[in-house]
Amino acid sequence: NAGVTQTPKFQVLKTGQSMTLQCAQDMNHNSMYWYRQDPGMGLRLIYYSASEGTTDKGEVPNGYNVSRLNKREFSLRLESAAPSQTSVYFCASRASAYNEQFFGPGTRLTVL
Amino acid sequence: GQQLNQSPQSMFIQEGEDVSMNCTSSSIFNTWLWYKQDPGEGPVLLIALYKAGELTSNGRLTAQFGITRKDSFLNISASIPSDVGIYFCAGTPLNAGGTSYGKLTFGQGTILTVHP
Repeated sequence: NAGVTQTPKFQVLKTGQSMTLQCAQDMNHNSMYWYRQDPGMGLRLIYYSASEGTTDKGEVPNGYNVSRLNKREFSLRLESAAPSQTSVYFCASRASAYNEQFFGPGTRLTVL
Repeated sequence: GQQLNQSPQSMFIQEGEDVSMNCTSSSIFNTWLWYKQDPGEGPVLLIALYKAGELTSNGRLTAQFGITRKDSFLNISASIPSDVGIYFCAGTPLNAGGTSYGKLTFGQGTILTVHP
């Protein structure tokens, strides 16, 4: 099992460009999450999907959209990137019966 | 939003020493989790705690769920160079109503440096 996979691993964008970060899990988990990690800020929840077909805002949703494509895949889209969105983005998944989340390796995004 | 206070922010220790870090909250939590993050990688789950007072070990790591349900600590015994990294506590607050959907609140992390 690969667990949680994320693509791309690195990305550089110019201000105003758009892109989609991809996440997939092969653990048959119902819930999936997107976080951003900034120095000294820990991990902050952007959006989550409690189950296939549902999505909800987290702590810092502004400037992002998400799609739960199917049970395996949960994508994060930046429609018009801004320098403030320079960060490391992590996807995570969780089985329904537990609160433990399992993380992907991250996407390192720089917006110039 | 919820805040978790994790301390210390950083630690510099000699190989072989024991390490202790903790997390506190002003609210009651019903789950405490401890993660380790290596440079350039995603967080990896070390220990999960689900009951107040629970003490759980994973090799040289020991974590406890505080009896007040507002704190947790992680101990690492006989540290080795590969213990270097950032350690995060995380938890799910006891929800007054509805469901939390497993949303985690994270501490800001403890950066551990181990000198050989």
